[in-house]
Amino acid sequence: NAGVTQTPKFQVLKTGQSMTLQCAQDMNHNSMYWYRQDPGMGLRLIYYSASEGTTDKGEVPNGYNVSRLNKREFSLRLESAAPSQTSVYFCASSEEERLNQPQHFGDGTRLSIL
Amino acid sequence: AQSVTQLGSHVSVSEGALVLLRCNYSSSVPPYLFWYVQYPNQGLQLLLKYTTGATLVKGINGFEAEFKKSETSFHLTKPSAHMSDAAEYFCAVSAPTGANNLFFGTGTRLTVIP
Repeated sequence: NAGVTQTPKFQVLKTGQSMTLQCAQDMNHNSMYWYRQDPGMGLRLIYYSASEGTTDKGEVPNGYNVSRLNKREFSLRLESAAPSQTSVYFCASSEEERLNQPQHFGDGTRLSIL
Repeated sequence: AQSVTQLGSHVSVSEGALVLLRCNYSSSVPPYLFWYVQYPNQGLQLLLKYTTGATLVKGINGFEAEFKKSETSFHLTKPSAHMSDAAEYFCAVSAPTGANNLFFGTGTRLTVIP
């Protein structure tokens, strides 16, 4: 079972570059999430999607955009990367109808902005 | 608003000893409470959750947690630690209604000494 798959696993960018983090789940879940994890802090919600075609801001959305391409895929885009966006990014999904109870996480994308 | 405090960023126990990871929450409404585990270089896995009903909740891998409203606590326990329990554990809280409101603690790293 693949679960939640994130690509790439590692990435180094220069300040000002753009990139898209990909996420796909094969569990037919409606809800999907993007979090960032920084040292000494818990996860913080960037964006979430309750269903295909809908997205909403989380706690720390500035500097990011998302696309819910279809039920399986939820991508996160950094238009102009900044050093403050150096972090580990996690995608998650949930079969729960109620939002914000992520159950399945990907293994993360480790992103460094120089 | 909701928040959680995890007491002790690092906890060490001997193999076979009791595991106790502390979590206290703050919530203006009856909370939903969660424990997640994160193994190195992996995403989070949901260990257990409390929503309503029985205050003692059993999760995967032999862990359990008890919701104590009077103490605003949701401590995670396991009677006998195993080497494979070494990981980082996160407590999280949300409110019963509304979205975008799952707040994570800063995590407790559990070390199991052989």
